[in-house]
Amino acid sequence: QQQVKQSPQSLIVQKGGISIINCAYENTAFDYFPWYQQFPGKGPALLIAIRPDVSEKKEGRFTISFNKSAKQFSLHIMDSQPGDSATYFCAASKADRGSTLGRLYFGRGTQLTVWP
Amino acid sequence: NAGVTQTPKFRILKIGQSMTLQCAQDMNHNYMYWYRQDPGMGLKLIYYSVGAGITDKGEVPNGYNVSRSTTEDFPLRLELAAPSQTSVYFCASSYGTGIMNTEAFFGQGTRLTVV
Repeated sequence: QQQVKQSPQSLIVQKGGISIINCAYENTAFDYFPWYQQFPGKGPALLIAIRPDVSEKKEGRFTISFNKSAKQFSLHIMDSQPGDSATYFCAASKADRGSTLGRLYFGRGTQLTVWP
Repeated sequence: NAGVTQTPKFRILKIGQSMTLQCAQDMNHNYMYWYRQDPGMGLKLIYYSVGAGITDKGEVPNGYNVSRSTTEDFPLRLELAAPSQTSVYFCASSYGTGIMNTEAFFGQGTRLTVV
């Protein structure tokens, strides 16, 4: 069962446009929602993250919108640039108690292409 | 500042061969992870570790083994390579998890092909 569902699988945006990637989750115990950016041949790297006590977090051109009641969160990239072309992964994790470990559950990724 | 270092970067194995993927981190992180990445399937957790001497299975552990004898190293062992293990493997580490979660740092990956 996919813990985090991500859409779309691929996205093409013109330079200067807004890129929007959506994710949905089922487990209400999740308490940390990061987005990772991956360039070809590289490992994923943290882009921005949010906790469920806020509805929005902005860092430069990147914004996470979080809807706790709908169990959805999204990444908005404003003024998209060709250098933003990469694969984006949403993820979620929870603090586990006892012997199990809270870990990152990843969406399947969105390949973003920004045309110049 | 090396971060998470994985070796080798590329490897071709024949069916039935064995190999060890190496992973080392220099950030004194307790938590370490092995993921595999297949096209369109995201990142699947193979094994993880909460500290030296402690490991546990992730979502897709079959065909793999791990050990964690030191805080720094977390090798992944493939005993009998199968074509289904053709993938890109990523090692990662983090300081905390869940509500204490901080950034997970990933290595550059190992591209493994089993023929």
